Amino acid sequence: TQLLEQSPQFLSIQEGENLTVYCNSSSVFSSLQWYRQEPGEGPVLLVTVVTGGEVKKLKRLTFQFGDARKDSSLHITAAQPGDTGLYLCAGGGGSNYKLTFGKGTLLTVNP
Amino acid sequence: NAGVTQTPKFQVLKTGQSMTLQCAQDMNHEYMSWYRQDPGMGLRLIHYSVGAGITDQGEVPNGYNVSRSTTEDFPLRLLSAAPSQTSVYFCASSYGRIGNTEAFFGQGTRLTVV
Repeated sequence: TQLLEQSPQFLSIQEGENLTVYCNSSSVFSSLQWYRQEPGEGPVLLVTVVTGGEVKKLKRLTFQFGDARKDSSLHITAAQPGDTGLYLCAGGGGSNYKLTFGKGTLLTVNP
Repeated sequence: NAGVTQTPKFQVLKTGQSMTLQCAQDMNHEYMSWYRQDPGMGLRLIHYSVGAGITDQGEVPNGYNVSRSTTEDFPLRLLSAAPSQTSVYFCASSYGRIGNTEAFFGQGTRLTVV
């Protein structure tokens, strides 16, 4: 069974601070996705990384896939209250057409 | 575009009752799946389908049935509801191999079994 461990589970910071969320596994994934979920809504895709060592930027968000494709990180620069939400990493690929989700990081950015 | 539509949004069931959670997508996606989300547990895969007529079990399939008679619809049936099935249920669809392409999620069905 493939598992994804996310840390921290909860994070409360002030507007303007930087933060990093981690997603780690002992398994290799062919792709790693990050989703953001707001209360009462389904998750929405932020990014997909597929190559070991890949770095993708989405405005103030930077995503990195580990060289061995077992871990990933999400870094937010100068967080804003609009970044508040549940961030989920999900590993995919393989023959079973499944997404394996981490338990999520609940981020609160206070004004 | 409607995307992925789930009905109902909220449901309360008594133990032992059965019901069907509906999921429909209008994007002609081949891949559809059902997840449940519980506090501290993340999203766990219940069942999935790679096309009409093809379904398979996920991580937590017990107590649930699915069928896929059309590309658009993927209903989830609870056979005999139990309090342990209290959860938020999400349906997702993808136009390609899931994990390599974007999964589009519905807004969820919040189910309470009493």
